[in-house]
Amino acid sequence: AQKITQTQPGMFVQEKEAVTLDCTYDTSDPSYGLFWYKQPSSGEMIFLIYQGSYDQQNATEGRYSLNFQKARKSANLVISASQLGDSAMYFCAMRDGRGSNYKLTFGKGTLLTVNP
Amino acid sequence: DTEVTQTPKHLVMGMTNKKSLKCEQHMGHRAMYWYKQKAKKPPELMFVYSYEKLSINESVPSRFSPECPNSSLLNLHLHALQPEDSALYLCASSPRGPGTSLRTSSGNTIYFGEGSWLTVV
Repeated sequence: AQKITQTQPGMFVQEKEAVTLDCTYDTSDPSYGLFWYKQPSSGEMIFLIYQGSYDQQNATEGRYSLNFQKARKSANLVISASQLGDSAMYFCAMRDGRGSNYKLTFGKGTLLTVNP
Repeated sequence: DTEVTQTPKHLVMGMTNKKSLKCEQHMGHRAMYWYKQKAKKPPELMFVYSYEKLSINESVPSRFSPECPNSSLLNLHLHALQPEDSALYLCASSPRGPGTSLRTSSGNTIYFGEGSWLTVV
């Protein structure tokens, strides 16, 4: 079965510093996609970044980058130059090529707090 | 700003009421989804519509009834709910539906709306 593990229930970072949120995944399918979402307390689930299993380079989107280590089955999110507005819950999620690959499997999330 | 719009933002309903949650997207996406999220938990998939047809029902109780009137709209009709159904309901869409190749990023990303906070009293 698909599985996403986020081992950090909570993380703290000082404003302007970088932070890494951990995510490991488990799938036997060679075709899969990995996602990171941000959810502020308002509830909206905001898409941040996507990494496909066949992508040769790590994905980047502005201050967000995904450290993709395929052999270790890890897909850590790196946020550079943290801002107060980055305080939120962060979810790692995966879709794999099994069956009709419609389903996003989410990790339990990491609550990030950015301190001034 | 999200391009998936949900209304209402907040809804309080009694257990005998009938209400609806509405979702709209104008991105030309062909798949739409309903997710349910309880406090401090990740979202759980409820329904998937692909090309306006219900393709997935994750064994959701019949007191939740989805409807897709056209490719841009998705409704969730609520009837005889229980207090434990109180949650954040998230609508989402993606460019293509089940079966899309995951080799490329295009078509695979699922975009969520702001959610509807539902309280059943």
